Amino acid sequence: EVLLVESGGGLVQPGGSLRLSCAASGFTFSSYWMHWVRQAPGKGLVWVSRINLDGSSTNSADSVKGRFTISRDNAKNTLYLQMNSLRAGDTAVYYCARGFYGSSSDYWGQGTLVTVSS
Amino acid sequence: QSALTQPASVSGSPGQSITISCTGTSSDVGGYDYVSWYQQLPGKAPKLMIYEVNNRPSGVSNRFSGSKSGNTASLTISGLQAEDEAYYYCSSFTSSSTLVFGGGTKLTVL
Repeated sequence: EVLLVESGGGLVQPGGSLRLSCAASGFTFSSYWMHWVRQAPGKGLVWVSRINLDGSSTNSADSVKGRFTISRDNAKNTLYLQMNSLRAGDTAVYYCARGFYGSSSDYWGQGTLVTVSS
Repeated sequence: QSALTQPASVSGSPGQSITISCTGTSSDVGGYDYVSWYQQLPGKAPKLMIYEVNNRPSGVSNRFSGSKSGNTASLTISGLQAEDEAYYYCSSFTSSSTLVFGGGTKLTVL
């Protein structure tokens, strides 16, 4: 069974940092692109970032470029999102998702809530 | 990258068909056959319903179908059922090698 379990969310002050993790199991992690997608409370889905199989190539939304860094550790079957210079507008549930046919995501975690507030 | 444009809400009666549109530009929807559709129930993670414009993942009902014409993609649900009531989101690959979602459409089954 494919499982994606996010962790690391919580309350952080504006300007602070947080690192999210996504533990993957039930599939060959190193064979899939991975994505982070976020959803502010009561709002729609927003794509954040993606990473290729070995971590050598990443893409990110303009809204997080220069502040967020996606990475992966294939030996640990874990995806990461390092978030710096956090703003109130970054408050959201953050989902990790497995890439499917390049641009889709077929399995999603349950999400982890990040709240940026003083 | 601006979000793709979806209607805020659509509705239909059980057994009817509905269509949700997703409008982008030639730099996203119109430029690539990489449009996906997701269903999201309240408090749940999204579920992939359609990938690459018109392909259904294993296990998704054939009542769900996708299409594209120019810069607009569409999701059609036929034989509407109460369990289809949810939010639906489209997404597309873009010329910047990023992805973009639509704003979401709330489907109400009357």
